[in-house]
Amino acid sequence: DIQMTQSPASLSASLGETVTIQCRASEDIYSGLAWYQQKPGKSPQLLIYGASSLQDGVPSRFSGSGSGTQYSLKISSMQTEDEGVYFCQQGLKYPYTFGAGTKLELK
Amino acid sequence: EVQLVESGGGLVQPGASLKLSCVASGFTFSDYWMSWVRQTPGKTMEWIGDIKYDGSYTNYAPSLKNRFTISRDNAKSTLYLQMSNVRSEDTATYYCTRDKVNYGSHYWYFDFWGPGTMVTVSS
Repeated sequence: DIQMTQSPASLSASLGETVTIQCRASEDIYSGLAWYQQKPGKSPQLLIYGASSLQDGVPSRFSGSGSGTQYSLKISSMQTEDEGVYFCQQGLKYPYTFGAGTKLELK
Repeated sequence: EVQLVESGGGLVQPGASLKLSCVASGFTFSDYWMSWVRQTPGKTMEWIGDIKYDGSYTNYAPSLKNRFTISRDNAKSTLYLQMSNVRSEDTATYYCTRDKVNYGSHYWYFDFWGPGTMVTVSS
């Protein structure tokens, strides 16, 4: 199975601050990476697919980048509504696998 | 509006069987692959398996394929997860997802999720 390692496990950011979350795959996943946001008590919502494509309706302050085994999610200006847990997921090979999540809180 | 609504969760004893359902609306269900994904109380996400749009092909996480079965009824726009011989480690919230694929690069992701149904395995 492809292992997905996310970092950090948690972080806090101030309003307007830039936030970056990392995700590393145990092998090359050729940009087959998605990012999800999960708010407390809710199901995950797709933010980014194909490493850098923004899902319809997602604010432009979210962006994704990376290639090979290293990927990142950036929030350019932290907002209150961005609090939650963020997961990466590889969709290249079965079984599809997720990172352990990064909990983002407002400082 | 795309909607996925799971049901069938609850408290179940170890060794029992349980069948979850997911009713889809707002899109042509028979055009899409679908998956089940679960999230443990500790928030770990695990993909369970998926099923082809016509129900002719399924694939499972190796650790679950002997106990879990995914099926669908396109006439009812409903996805199912049959769980057998459940264990305490199956305690989780179970989500159905609509799958999307990038055929050029051949990667998959989940563009819509249901609210989930919780399964608790305990005696």
